[in-house]
Amino acid sequence: AQRVTQPEKLLSVFKGAPVELKCNYSYSGSPELFWYVQYSRQRLQLLLRHISRESIKGFTADLNKGETSFHLKKPFAQEEDSAMYYCALSNDQTGANNLFFGTGTRLTVIP
Amino acid sequence: NAGVTQTPKFQVLKTGQSMTLQCAQDMNHEYMSWYRQDPGMGLRLIHYSVGAGITDQGEVPNGYNVSRSTTEDFPLRLLSAAPSQTSVYFCASSLGPYQPQHFGDGTRLSIL
Repeated sequence: AQRVTQPEKLLSVFKGAPVELKCNYSYSGSPELFWYVQYSRQRLQLLLRHISRESIKGFTADLNKGETSFHLKKPFAQEEDSAMYYCALSNDQTGANNLFFGTGTRLTVIP
Repeated sequence: NAGVTQTPKFQVLKTGQSMTLQCAQDMNHEYMSWYRQDPGMGLRLIHYSVGAGITDQGEVPNGYNVSRSTTEDFPLRLLSAAPSQTSVYFCASSLGPYQPQHFGDGTRLSIL
């Protein structure tokens, strides 16, 4: 069975400080991992996915299969980064593209 | 281009009432899903569809029915509402496997 763990419900950092949101997963197959973000009064939206190996809004995430982690990082936090962040795993064994979500981390960037 | 549209945004029901949550997308996506979001539990999959006429159960399907008669629409039905179904419901769609999911604004449902 698949499982996604985000150990921090709340995370506060000062503007300009580095930020790391942790995500660990358990899955017997080859996972596809995503980070979704929900800004205040906006829809849940994709931030980035590991297969793209891209940096979005200064955020990066590296899949570490040895540690089964997919932590989200940004070197210098901005106030506009304050939001709810969800790590998610796609289990495509059914061919259905369903997502399994972690419980989320609310990031607050303090001015 | 509205993306994924959910109606209503808010609803209060009494225990035992029935209701349909509507979801429509205008992106010609084959894949559609319903999730519920509860405090401290993230989003959990209720039902999903990989195309018109094809639906299947997700992680928490009990108490919900779905159908997919068209590519655009994927309604979620509560046949007899229970307080345990108080939640925020999200509909999502995607092009296919491993593709990003596009979410609606959500429906906040309270069962008294």
